[in-house]
Amino acid sequence: AQSVAQPEDQVNVAEGNPLTVKCTYSVSGNPYLFWYVQYPNRGLQFLLKYITGDNLVKGSYGFEAEFNKSQTSFHLKKPSALVSDSALYFCAVRDIGGQGFSFIFGKGTRLLVKP
Amino acid sequence: EAQVTQNPRYLITVTGKKLTVTCSQNMNHEYMSWYRQDPGLGLRQIYYSMNVEVTDKGDVPEGYKVSRKEKRNFPLILESPSPNQTSLYFCASSTQGDGYTFGSGTRLTVV
Repeated sequence: AQSVAQPEDQVNVAEGNPLTVKCTYSVSGNPYLFWYVQYPNRGLQFLLKYITGDNLVKGSYGFEAEFNKSQTSFHLKKPSALVSDSALYFCAVRDIGGQGFSFIFGKGTRLLVKP
Repeated sequence: EAQVTQNPRYLITVTGKKLTVTCSQNMNHEYMSWYRQDPGLGLRQIYYSMNVEVTDKGDVPEGYKVSRKEKRNFPLILESPSPNQTSLYFCASSTQGDGYTFGSGTRLTVV
């Protein structure tokens, strides 16, 4: 069965420090991987995606993510965190190997950036 | 502007009173989906649609209905709402091979 795991409920980081939000996945075929961000009282906003190609993907607001096939991971990173990055982050996977339309989200990780 | 529009944004209703949450997208996307978001549970798929007149159950379909009579619209129907359906609901649309574009959400309270 497909699944996405975000092992940390919350990540705390000081402003200016690098941040990492972890995501691991399990799918039967080749995955499409995504990161979304949710600010309070807002919908989910697309940050970046991995479809194929370079394992390091760059996205919005200075975020990037590294696809690691052997570790089945897709961790979100940013070199220097901002207080305004504080939000809820969701990893998602879409399995393109099977029938139908399967799009699974992790449970989310709350990022708190302290001044 | 490319977007997914949900209405209403906020809704308080009573147990058993039928309601519909509308969803419309202007991107000509084939795929549309409804999710509910609950604390500690993340996003759970209720129903999805791969095209007009093609719908299927997601992970938590009980108590919900959907229809896809037109490509742009995908309403969520609660025939007899119950308090356990109090949640934040999101509609989303996508093309094949891409990620979702989400609506702004509907916060539903059933008393």
